[in-house]
Amino acid sequence: QKEVEQNSGPLSVPEGAIASLNCTYSDRGSQSFFWYRQYSGKSPELIMSIYSNGDKEDGRFTAQLNKASQYVSLLIRDSQPSDSATYLCAVNLRGSTLGRLYFGRGTQLTVWP
Amino acid sequence: EAGVAQSPRYKIIEKRQSVAFWCNPISGHATLYWYQQILGQGPKLLIQFQNNGVVDDSQLPKDRFSAERLKGVDSTLKIQPAKLEDSAVYLCASSLEGIEAFFGQGTRLTVV
Repeated sequence: QKEVEQNSGPLSVPEGAIASLNCTYSDRGSQSFFWYRQYSGKSPELIMSIYSNGDKEDGRFTAQLNKASQYVSLLIRDSQPSDSATYLCAVNLRGSTLGRLYFGRGTQLTVWP
Repeated sequence: EAGVAQSPRYKIIEKRQSVAFWCNPISGHATLYWYQQILGQGPKLLIQFQNNGVVDDSQLPKDRFSAERLKGVDSTLKIQPAKLEDSAVYLCASSLEGIEAFFGQGTRLTVV
Protein backbone atom coordinates (compact mmCIF):
# COMPACT_ATOMS: atom_id res chain seq x y z
CA GLN A 1 0.00 0.00 0.00
CA LYS A 2 1.25 3.46 -0.87
CA GLU A 3 1.91 5.66 2.13
CA VAL A 4 -0.61 8.38 1.25
CA GLU A 5 -3.33 7.84 -1.33
CA GLN A 6 -5.85 10.23 -2.76
CA ASN A 7 -8.80 9.70 -5.07
CA SER A 8 -7.16 10.56 -8.34
CA GLY A 9 -9.96 12.59 -9.86
CA PRO A 10 -10.25 14.79 -11.68
CA LEU A 11 -13.20 16.08 -9.72
CA SER A 12 -15.58 18.51 -11.34
CA VAL A 13 -18.34 20.34 -9.44
CA PRO A 14 -20.61 23.27 -10.26
CA GLU A 15 -20.19 26.61 -8.56
CA GLY A 16 -21.90 26.65 -5.18
CA ALA A 17 -21.68 22.89 -4.65
CA ILE A 18 -19.73 21.00 -1.99
CA ALA A 19 -16.46 19.45 -3.16
CA SER A 20 -15.29 16.40 -1.22
CA LEU A 21 -11.66 15.32 -1.37
CA ASN A 22 -10.48 12.13 0.27
CA CYS A 23 -7.18 10.73 1.48
CA THR A 24 -6.04 7.53 3.18
CA TYR A 25 -2.70 6.85 4.81
CA SER A 26 -0.74 3.77 5.71
CA ASP A 27 0.14 4.14 9.37
CA ARG A 28 -2.52 4.30 12.05
CA GLY A 29 -0.17 5.94 14.55
CA SER A 30 0.31 9.06 12.45
CA GLN A 31 -0.49 12.33 14.18
CA SER A 32 -0.28 15.30 11.80
CA PHE A 33 -2.29 15.84 8.64
CA PHE A 34 -2.33 18.69 6.17
CA TRP A 35 -4.11 19.85 3.06
CA TYR A 36 -2.25 21.95 0.52
CA ARG A 37 -3.69 23.72 -2.49
CA GLN A 38 -1.56 23.98 -5.61
CA TYR A 39 -2.55 26.14 -8.54
CA SER A 40 -1.12 25.17 -11.91
CA GLY A 41 2.51 26.23 -12.14
CA LYS A 42 2.59 27.41 -8.53
CA SER A 43 3.91 25.97 -5.29
CA PRO A 44 1.80 24.22 -2.64
CA GLU A 45 -0.03 26.51 -0.22
CA LEU A 46 -1.05 25.24 3.22
CA ILE A 47 -4.79 25.61 3.74
CA MET A 48 -5.63 23.25 6.61
CA SER A 49 -3.91 21.26 9.32
CA ILE A 50 -5.61 18.77 11.62
CA TYR A 51 -4.25 16.69 14.48
CA SER A 52 -7.28 15.30 16.37
CA ASN A 53 -10.18 13.11 15.37
CA GLY A 54 -13.25 14.98 14.21
CA ASP A 55 -13.89 18.08 12.18
CA LYS A 56 -11.97 21.32 11.91
CA GLU A 57 -13.58 24.24 10.13
CA ASP A 58 -11.95 27.31 8.61
CA GLY A 59 -14.25 29.45 6.53
CA ARG A 60 -15.55 27.39 3.63
CA PHE A 61 -13.09 24.58 4.34
CA THR A 62 -13.66 21.65 6.71
CA ALA A 63 -11.08 18.99 7.39
CA GLN A 64 -12.28 15.68 8.80
CA LEU A 65 -10.01 13.12 10.46
CA ASN A 66 -10.73 9.54 11.43
CA LYS A 67 -7.58 7.93 12.75
CA ALA A 68 -9.21 4.54 13.33
CA SER A 69 -10.08 4.36 9.64
CA GLN A 70 -6.83 6.09 8.59
CA TYR A 71 -8.84 8.58 6.63
CA VAL A 72 -8.71 12.35 6.23
CA SER A 73 -10.94 14.45 4.03
CA LEU A 74 -11.42 18.03 2.94
CA LEU A 75 -14.80 19.54 2.23
CA ILE A 76 -15.10 22.80 0.35
CA ARG A 77 -18.51 24.41 0.74
CA ASP A 78 -19.95 26.91 -1.70
CA SER A 79 -17.24 26.04 -4.21
CA GLN A 80 -15.98 28.87 -6.37
CA PRO A 81 -14.16 28.82 -9.72
CA SER A 82 -11.14 30.22 -7.85
CA ASP A 83 -11.01 26.93 -5.89
CA SER A 84 -10.02 25.13 -9.11
CA ALA A 85 -6.61 23.66 -8.29
CA THR A 86 -4.88 20.46 -7.27
CA TYR A 87 -5.35 19.54 -3.62
CA LEU A 88 -2.53 17.64 -1.97
CA CYS A 89 -2.95 15.57 1.16
CA ALA A 90 0.18 15.37 3.32
CA VAL A 91 0.86 13.27 6.40
CA ASN A 92 3.66 13.15 8.94
CA LEU A 93 3.70 9.36 9.20
CA ARG A 94 4.48 7.63 12.47
CA GLY A 95 8.14 6.84 12.84
CA SER A 96 9.28 9.52 10.45
CA THR A 97 11.12 12.68 11.45
CA LEU A 98 8.89 15.40 12.91
CA GLY A 99 7.78 17.56 10.02
CA ARG A 100 8.71 15.09 7.29
CA LEU A 101 5.68 15.04 5.00
CA TYR A 102 4.51 12.26 2.73
CA PHE A 103 2.28 13.58 -0.04
CA GLY A 104 -0.41 11.97 -2.11
CA ARG A 105 -0.48 12.50 -5.85
CA GLY A 106 -3.13 15.16 -5.50
CA THR A 107 -6.71 15.51 -6.67
CA GLN A 108 -7.42 18.00 -9.42
CA LEU A 109 -10.59 19.98 -8.73
CA THR A 110 -12.44 22.00 -11.34
CA VAL A 111 -15.31 24.26 -10.32
CA TRP A 112 -17.37 25.35 -13.28
CA PRO A 113 -19.57 28.45 -13.32
CA GLU B 1 6.43 38.50 6.90
CA ALA B 2 8.50 37.49 3.91
CA GLY B 3 8.02 33.99 2.60
CA VAL B 4 10.50 31.36 1.52
CA ALA B 5 12.70 32.71 -1.25
CA GLN B 6 14.17 30.52 -3.97
CA SER B 7 16.31 31.15 -7.00
CA PRO B 8 16.52 30.72 -9.86
CA ARG B 9 12.89 30.26 -10.91
CA TYR B 10 13.77 28.34 -14.05
CA LYS B 11 16.83 26.49 -15.26
CA ILE B 12 17.55 24.54 -18.42
CA ILE B 13 20.73 22.46 -18.58
CA GLU B 14 22.11 19.63 -20.63
CA LYS B 15 22.47 16.20 -19.12
CA ARG B 16 25.73 15.63 -17.27
CA GLN B 17 25.99 19.33 -16.42
CA SER B 18 25.80 20.61 -12.88
CA VAL B 19 23.24 22.96 -11.35
CA ALA B 20 22.67 24.62 -7.98
CA PHE B 21 19.56 25.99 -6.34
CA TRP B 22 19.38 28.46 -3.47
CA CYS B 23 16.83 28.85 -0.70
CA ASN B 24 16.32 31.43 2.03
CA PRO B 25 13.72 30.27 4.58
CA ILE B 26 11.26 32.34 6.56
CA SER B 27 13.13 34.24 9.25
CA GLY B 28 13.43 32.24 12.45
CA HIS B 29 12.43 28.92 10.91
CA ALA B 30 14.85 26.28 12.14
CA THR B 31 13.64 23.46 9.90
CA LEU B 32 14.32 23.55 6.18
CA TYR B 33 13.26 21.01 3.57
CA TRP B 34 14.04 20.32 -0.06
CA TYR B 35 11.34 18.50 -2.00
CA GLN B 36 11.32 17.26 -5.58
CA GLN B 37 8.03 17.38 -7.45
CA ILE B 38 7.83 15.53 -10.74
CA LEU B 39 4.98 16.51 -13.04
CA GLY B 40 1.72 14.86 -11.98
CA GLN B 41 3.04 13.70 -8.62
CA GLY B 42 3.10 15.00 -5.09
CA PRO B 43 6.31 16.45 -3.65
CA LYS B 44 8.87 13.97 -2.39
CA LEU B 45 11.30 14.87 0.40
CA LEU B 46 14.96 14.93 -0.58
CA ILE B 47 16.52 16.29 2.59
CA GLN B 48 15.50 17.89 5.87
CA PHE B 49 17.68 20.16 8.00
CA GLN B 50 17.22 21.17 11.60
CA ASN B 51 19.28 24.33 11.98
CA ASN B 52 22.45 23.35 10.07
CA GLY B 53 22.27 19.63 10.77
CA VAL B 54 20.78 16.96 8.52
CA VAL B 55 17.94 15.01 10.14
CA ASP B 56 16.67 13.06 7.11
CA ASP B 57 18.39 12.50 3.80
CA SER B 58 17.21 8.95 3.22
CA GLN B 59 15.68 9.78 -0.20
CA LEU B 60 18.54 11.93 -1.47
CA PRO B 61 20.46 10.33 -4.38
CA LYS B 62 23.79 10.97 -2.78
CA ASP B 63 25.84 9.94 -5.80
CA ARG B 64 24.68 13.06 -7.61
CA PHE B 65 22.78 15.29 -5.18
CA SER B 66 24.25 17.28 -2.32
CA ALA B 67 22.87 19.95 -0.02
CA GLU B 68 24.17 22.16 2.69
CA ARG B 69 22.80 24.71 5.08
CA LEU B 70 25.49 27.00 6.34
CA LYS B 71 24.94 28.89 9.58
CA GLY B 72 21.47 27.39 9.89
CA VAL B 73 19.86 29.85 7.48
CA ASP B 74 20.31 29.71 3.68
CA SER B 75 20.61 26.42 1.88
CA THR B 76 21.86 25.22 -1.47
CA LEU B 77 20.97 22.04 -3.33
CA LYS B 78 23.33 20.83 -6.04
CA ILE B 79 23.00 18.21 -8.74
CA GLN B 80 26.12 16.92 -10.45
CA PRO B 81 25.90 15.39 -12.99
CA ALA B 82 22.28 15.91 -13.96
CA LYS B 83 20.21 13.21 -15.63
CA LEU B 84 17.10 13.55 -17.77
CA GLU B 85 14.97 12.12 -14.94
CA ASP B 86 16.01 15.01 -12.69
CA SER B 87 13.65 17.27 -14.62
CA ALA B 88 11.23 18.46 -11.95
CA VAL B 89 10.31 21.35 -9.71
CA TYR B 90 12.58 21.68 -6.69
CA LEU B 91 10.71 23.10 -3.76
CA CYS B 92 12.21 24.53 -0.62
CA ALA B 93 10.05 24.75 2.49
CA SER B 94 10.58 25.85 6.06
CA SER B 95 8.81 25.44 9.37
CA LEU B 96 9.09 27.03 12.78
CA GLU B 97 8.76 23.95 14.98
CA GLY B 98 8.97 21.18 12.42
CA ILE B 99 5.21 21.03 12.01
CA GLU B 100 3.47 23.30 9.49
CA ALA B 101 5.66 23.76 6.44
CA PHE B 102 5.52 26.72 4.05
CA PHE B 103 6.83 26.42 0.52
CA GLY B 104 8.78 28.75 -1.72
CA GLN B 105 7.86 29.27 -5.37
CA GLY B 106 10.18 26.52 -6.53
CA THR B 107 12.77 26.12 -9.26
CA ARG B 108 11.66 24.40 -12.43
CA LEU B 109 14.56 22.37 -13.80
CA THR B 110 14.59 21.00 -17.31
CA VAL B 111 17.38 18.63 -18.28
CA VAL B 112 17.79 18.15 -22.03
